[in-house]
Amino acid sequence: NAGVTQTPKFQVLKTGQSMTLQCAQDMNHEYMSWYRQDPGMGLRLIHYSVGAGITDQGEVPNGYNVSRSTTEDFPLRLLSAAPSQTSVYFCASSPIRDGTGELFFGEGSRLTVL
Amino acid sequence: QQQVKQSPQSLIVQKGGISIINCAYENTAFDYFPWYQQFPGKGPALLIAIRPDVSEKKEGRFTISFNKSAKQFSLHIMDSQPGDSATYFCAVSGTYKYIFGTGTRLKVLA
Repeated sequence: NAGVTQTPKFQVLKTGQSMTLQCAQDMNHEYMSWYRQDPGMGLRLIHYSVGAGITDQGEVPNGYNVSRSTTEDFPLRLLSAAPSQTSVYFCASSPIRDGTGELFFGEGSRLTVL
Repeated sequence: QQQVKQSPQSLIVQKGGISIINCAYENTAFDYFPWYQQFPGKGPALLIAIRPDVSEKKEGRFTISFNKSAKQFSLHIMDSQPGDSATYFCAVSGTYKYIFGTGTRLKVLA
């Protein structure tokens, strides 16, 4: 049982480039979410989804897009990377549809924007 | 934006000592209060959690104390071990809301 898998683990981008962080879970969880982790700021919610075709914004959505075409996958797209998006990104899923339960995290994707 | 205030930012404890981390939140629209443990290079993992209908929950060396009226909850780690050295995050969760504290870096000295 792989749990939550994120790729890539590391990525360096130049300002203005776009890219997609991949997230897949094999636990049949309806709830999935993306967080960014920055020093001294904890984990901040970017976007979340409560099922295929349903997404919503979190606390810091600007500059990011998401889609949910299947239960398993929840990619995060950076449209035009900026240095302020340098961070560690975590995908998390939950068996509770409204997210009020244990979150299962991936191991993270470290992004550097030059 | 709703906030969760976590303290201290960092904590150094001797092996065998008690580690205490505190969190305070701002409103009552939450019904799940978890603590997560994160080791370097890994994602956070649930350590222990409590629902607001109880004031304390204990699992092994880890205890959550919950004060609903004060909107505060804390994590106590008894007999702290070097293997407990990690970053700890509190969180509050309600329907479609999951807000984390800023984290506490714990170091347990051998």
